[in-house]
Amino acid sequence: AQKVTQAQTEISVVEKEDVTLDCVYETRDTTYYLFWYKQPPSGELVFLIRRNSFDEQNEISGRYSWNFQKSTSSFNFTITASQVVDSAVYFCALSGSARQLTFGSGTQLTVLP
Amino acid sequence: NAGVTQTPKFHILKTGQSMTLQCAQDMNHGYLSWYRQDPGMGLRRIHYSVAAGITDKGEVPDGYNVSRSNTEDFPLRLESAAPSQTSVYFCASSYSMGGELFFGEGSRLTVL
Repeated sequence: AQKVTQAQTEISVVEKEDVTLDCVYETRDTTYYLFWYKQPPSGELVFLIRRNSFDEQNEISGRYSWNFQKSTSSFNFTITASQVVDSAVYFCALSGSARQLTFGSGTQLTVLP
Repeated sequence: NAGVTQTPKFHILKTGQSMTLQCAQDMNHGYLSWYRQDPGMGLRRIHYSVAAGITDKGEVPDGYNVSRSNTEDFPLRLESAAPSQTSVYFCASSYSMGGELFFGEGSRLTVL
């Protein structure tokens, strides 16, 4: 069975602070994919990134960056210079050999002006 | 580009009533799935389909039925609604199982 843990239920930061959202996963598969999704207050789910298990390179996209470490089974997400519009629930997810996409319980990020 | 379209966005029904949530996608994706989102539990897959005519159970299938007669549509039916089915439902599509999911806007269902 696979599992995704997002231990931070809620995080609150002040605008322009950097914030890291943690994601720890468990799987017995050697090939798997990791995802991050954003759910703003409007409720839709927005795909942010997909990473396969063979690619441990960190990725940066504007103010967003992702740190994938197989040694610690973590796929953390950092927002640099946070903005109020970053306020949302962020979900980490894992897809393994059974192709079941398992979501973490989500982290509610609130960015205060 | 419509992407994944879900209807209705909101609905209230009584225990024992039936209803169908509609899902349509126009991206020619083979994989379609239904998820429910409950507070503190993330999203859990209810049913999924990898192609027309093929459906399978997800993590929480009890009380729900699906069908897939074509590529575009994937309706979710509640035959006899229960209060435990009060949730937000998302339909999602992907070019393949395991690929990034494209979600509909969600359907908030309340069962009284």
